[in-house]
Amino acid sequence: GEDVEQSLFLSVREGDSSVINCTYTDSSSTYLYWYKQEPGAGLQLLTYIFSNMDMKQDQRLTVLLNKKDKHLSLRIADTQTGDSAIYFCAEGVAYSGAGSYQLTFGKGTKLSVIP
Amino acid sequence: DTAVSQTPKYLVTQMGNDKSIKCEQNLGHDTMYWYKQDSKKFLKIMFSYNNKELIINETVPNRFSPKSPDKAHLNLHINSLELGDSAVYFCASSQEENEQFFGPGTRLTVL
Repeated sequence: GEDVEQSLFLSVREGDSSVINCTYTDSSSTYLYWYKQEPGAGLQLLTYIFSNMDMKQDQRLTVLLNKKDKHLSLRIADTQTGDSAIYFCAEGVAYSGAGSYQLTFGKGTKLSVIP
Repeated sequence: DTAVSQTPKYLVTQMGNDKSIKCEQNLGHDTMYWYKQDSKKFLKIMFSYNNKELIINETVPNRFSPKSPDKAHLNLHINSLELGDSAVYFCASSQEENEQFFGPGTRLTVL
């Protein structure tokens, strides 16, 4: 079945770049997403990439997609303490053409930023 | 204004009780979802509703029943609560394409 894998922990120093990696298995994924969850809070969509794109940049965030290897990464430049959170990778597959997208989430990567 | 809201934020209840969690979205989206996040932070989709039609049901026990009185609301009703139902439940909504917007979550604790 479909599976999304990511490492569980990442620790970086403030000001450095963070790279969070993710692999997925469903080749029919239409969109791939990165969500951020701060402690005690809900999920916040950070960015997403359409499956026919290789890269997307949005301010400090860069998403790279290697569709052949089914590998997705999120790079956060100049990481700040406020970036400390859990980051979820998710793949989205359209369901029966009904306008619904089923998201399958990875287990989340806890990013800790050391001042 | 909150796009996707859920009530209550916290719910503590005894085993065997019946409870409901409410979700409302003011985005005009056609599809709404319920997700369960367990204590290890694993997220799994439970249901989605599109134009009042159940689209996805991921082998969720029939003690869980989504109820959609209108397009802007998708409530989650749970009968005969069990200890294993303790989790954070997230509501989300989307319009056709890609982005799903999530509510703040409801932390359910079953004693």
